[in-house]
Amino acid sequence: DAGVIQSPRHEVTEMGQEVTLRCKPISGHNSLFWYRQTMMRGLELLIYFNNNVPIDDSGMPEDRFSAKMPNASFSTLKIQPSEPRDSAVYFCASRRRGSNEKLFFGSGTQLSVL
Amino acid sequence: DAKTTQPPSMDCAEGRAANLPCNHSTISGNEYVYWYRQIHSQGPQYIIHGLKNNETNAMASLIITEDRKSSTLILPHATLRDTAVYYCIVRVHGDKAAGNKLTFGGGTRVLVKP
Repeated sequence: DAGVIQSPRHEVTEMGQEVTLRCKPISGHNSLFWYRQTMMRGLELLIYFNNNVPIDDSGMPEDRFSAKMPNASFSTLKIQPSEPRDSAVYFCASRRRGSNEKLFFGSGTQLSVL
Repeated sequence: DAKTTQPPSMDCAEGRAANLPCNHSTISGNEYVYWYRQIHSQGPQYIIHGLKNNETNAMASLIITEDRKSSTLILPHATLRDTAVYYCIVRVHGDKAAGNKLTFGGGTRVLVKP
């Protein structure tokens, strides 16, 4: 099992640029979560999907943020335009159907917006 | 979901048992206690969960008091690799309205010393 795969591992960009973060959940998992982690705010849930459908995006900070899950094996989190305050580690996690308790997290994407 | 209170940090000696407390005095009858940990530069990792009975797995033991207002995570023989932030979370099981999302608090920063 390869686990949850996120790319890129690190991203450095300039303010105003578009940033796309990618996530491949564990095969067979039907829920996918995007979290953001900063020193100030800790781990925050941005959005999650069940069966490729967005269920709760109340954590998405602004319209600059958007997430998609076109199929069960791929999701993207896009920031357009990016701002320095978006700098954080972004984690993707997935969960198997019927398994309420176990989220499997990826290694994260360290985003730096200059 | 009920709020949890954890000490911000604690040290423990390598090879000894580490006992991590968590208070959840407002926990309701259908809320489970979950523990995750986050090793530096990695995503959070599921450890264990329980409702009211004590639980044990390969990683740890979970002791929940009879009134369920507090719990203790026990790492039986701490190693240097157990140095991490440990999160105690309570949440409803199978609550579709809550969307099965985990909310992380500040956690306890555990340092295992040789």
